[in-house]
Amino acid sequence: DAGITQSPRHKVTETGTPVTLRCHQTENHRYMYWYRQDPGHGLRLIHYSYGVKDTDKGEVSDGYSVSRSKTEDFLLTLESATSSQTSVYFCATREGGQPQHFGDGTRLSIL
Amino acid sequence: GQQVMQIPQYQHVQEGEDFTTYCNSSTTLSNIQWYKQRPGGHPVFLIQLVKSGEVKKQKRLTFQFGEAKKNSSLHITATQTTDVGTYFCAGSEDNTDKLIFGTGTRLQVFP
Repeated sequence: DAGITQSPRHKVTETGTPVTLRCHQTENHRYMYWYRQDPGHGLRLIHYSYGVKDTDKGEVSDGYSVSRSKTEDFLLTLESATSSQTSVYFCATREGGQPQHFGDGTRLSIL
Repeated sequence: GQQVMQIPQYQHVQEGEDFTTYCNSSTTLSNIQWYKQRPGGHPVFLIQLVKSGEVKKQKRLTFQFGEAKKNSSLHITATQTTDVGTYFCAGSEDNTDKLIFGTGTRLQVFP
């Protein structure tokens, strides 16, 4: 969908380790978003970007950081993963005035 | 902060029955979008409503935006097994780049 690739697609790691998820897009969309999806909570916004090096917090940003050094890449980092961050993570992109397009998701398990 | 609630959380219907999901925001929205997520898939954009009282149709799907722009509904007439999935509404306030997603309604259709 809209040339969005998330990597890795699945990851299992241990509490306390750093984790970086990557979102890569080929559509040159200005806006990029990271969400987490948990049962009963729907999709919750973690961080988003409105341009290269321009990012802002979403509703559940604690414990996460992001970086966007190029238009096509938006990285989500868990500095020290906790079990509460076990979730499915979706990246989305959009151009101004257009709807969001989602990647296929990353299933992250923290033991 | 802004909250978007959806009801019901789950709905099981017999194929051919109608289905409605309701979306309510704690704040006035500039627009509302609807997405569908198939089991194991990612959210896919269905439609956007912008005007107060707007009604849009897509085949068997009817979308409404409330007069006060704080609520919306999605109605499916004569459900089919292909309608199975989770339906999310998502709203944004004026002058923001963020969408706040509702909690979703999971639809199961029995043949």
